[in-house]
Amino acid sequence: GAVVSQHPSRVICKSGTSVKIECRSLDFQATTMFWYRQFPKKSLMLMATSNEGSKATYEQGVEKDKFLINHASLTLSTLTVTSAHPEDSSFYICSASGGRPGLAGTYEQYFGPGTRLTVT
Amino acid sequence: AQSVTQLDSQVPVFEEAPVELRCNYSSSVSVYLFWYVQYPNQGLQLLLKYLSGSTLVKGINGFEAEFNKSQTSFHLRKPSVHISDTAEYFCAVNSYGGSQGNLIFGKGTKLSVKP
Repeated sequence: GAVVSQHPSRVICKSGTSVKIECRSLDFQATTMFWYRQFPKKSLMLMATSNEGSKATYEQGVEKDKFLINHASLTLSTLTVTSAHPEDSSFYICSASGGRPGLAGTYEQYFGPGTRLTVT
Repeated sequence: AQSVTQLDSQVPVFEEAPVELRCNYSSSVSVYLFWYVQYPNQGLQLLLKYLSGSTLVKGINGFEAEFNKSQTSFHLRKPSVHISDTAEYFCAVNSYGGSQGNLIFGKGTKLSVKP
């Protein structure tokens, strides 16, 4: 249980194009989803937090116009990297929490497998 | 503000040896504590968590951790490691008492198990 999927697992795009990454909670309703970025051999950096039906809250230094986050339903959040540049190349990981019986209030996050973005 | 310190960036050990990965945290409020494992090019998998109750927590793959409030530590241990335990391990903290908050991660410890 508590499975989170991400699609695609890998994507290569040309500089200037936009890329959409999907994050789905497969067997529970995620009231909150988180998007992280991980640089090589580094820890995870929280980019933004999104609650279903409301605007995402971005961390300081993260450009909200560049990294568009939509959390349209309790099982789906998307991250769109707009006008991607090589410096946006990274490993993007989403996580989801909340809404599952037995898990309410545990503040536990379930992570997706990640998406490797390469911008050429 | 909360912070997590993982004192060792890399820990090399031989197969079947015991291992301890250290984690210290700083927080002005009570916390939940987590250990996650990340295999190459994969997301994070929860190893174990401390929410309340017994300070000794057992997780998957034979790992355990002990919450020590006075030392603000949550060290991860395994009595005998396998080659397959080679991975990156992250300690994380989340405060309770408020809304479902963010996980604050340590910088990670790379465990390398050698034959």
